[in-house]
Amino acid sequence: DAGVTQSPTHLIKTRGQHVTLRCSPISGHKSVSWYQQVLGQGPQFIFQYYEKEERGRGNFPDRFSARQFPNYSSELNVNALLLGDSALYLCASSPTPGFEAFFGQGTRLTVV
Amino acid sequence: QQQVKQSPQSLIVQKGGISIINCAYENTAFDYFPWYQQFPGKGPALLIAIRPDVSEKKEGRFTISFNKSAKQFSLHIMDSQPGDSATYFCAATLLHDMRFGAGTRLTVKP
Repeated sequence: DAGVTQSPTHLIKTRGQHVTLRCSPISGHKSVSWYQQVLGQGPQFIFQYYEKEERGRGNFPDRFSARQFPNYSSELNVNALLLGDSALYLCASSPTPGFEAFFGQGTRLTVV
Repeated sequence: QQQVKQSPQSLIVQKGGISIINCAYENTAFDYFPWYQQFPGKGPALLIAIRPDVSEKKEGRFTISFNKSAKQFSLHIMDSQPGDSATYFCAATLLHDMRFGAGTRLTVKP
């Protein structure tokens, strides 16, 4: 069975640009969460989506947005990129919120 | 945003020894406590998890001990192996929100 898949694996963007990251959850999982992991730190919660609705939001600016599609895949959008947005962006899926969350391999975003 | 405190920051253990990592949380509403293992360049992998109505859970060489009154929980890795060398994260979950500790870098020496 396929795990959580994220694309792209690596990405380099320039300050001020926009980026879209994509995530496909494990088959049957309806909840998708996004996390930002800065080097040397634990993942920080950005968003959770369940049944295509936003169910939770972390302490991130409005430049960050996300959505979930009818097939439960999700995308994370970040506008007006800053150098500080450079991080590993992780997607996690679970059958329903509050249960075991399984992570993808992440997208390494570098902003130059 | 940090609501889960993890210690130690780094840990060196001899092969065959016991690795112990501790976490403390603040919000008593958290109801699910997973541990994740992460290798460089990879996403975190779920190791073991516990709910607060249980004081201990064991899966193979990994054991979680949970102290609800003290708001603390710990991961014990028995018979530690060089392949266990990784960064370990504790987390605490409340439905739509999972808060992670800062991580412990474990090195198991042969």
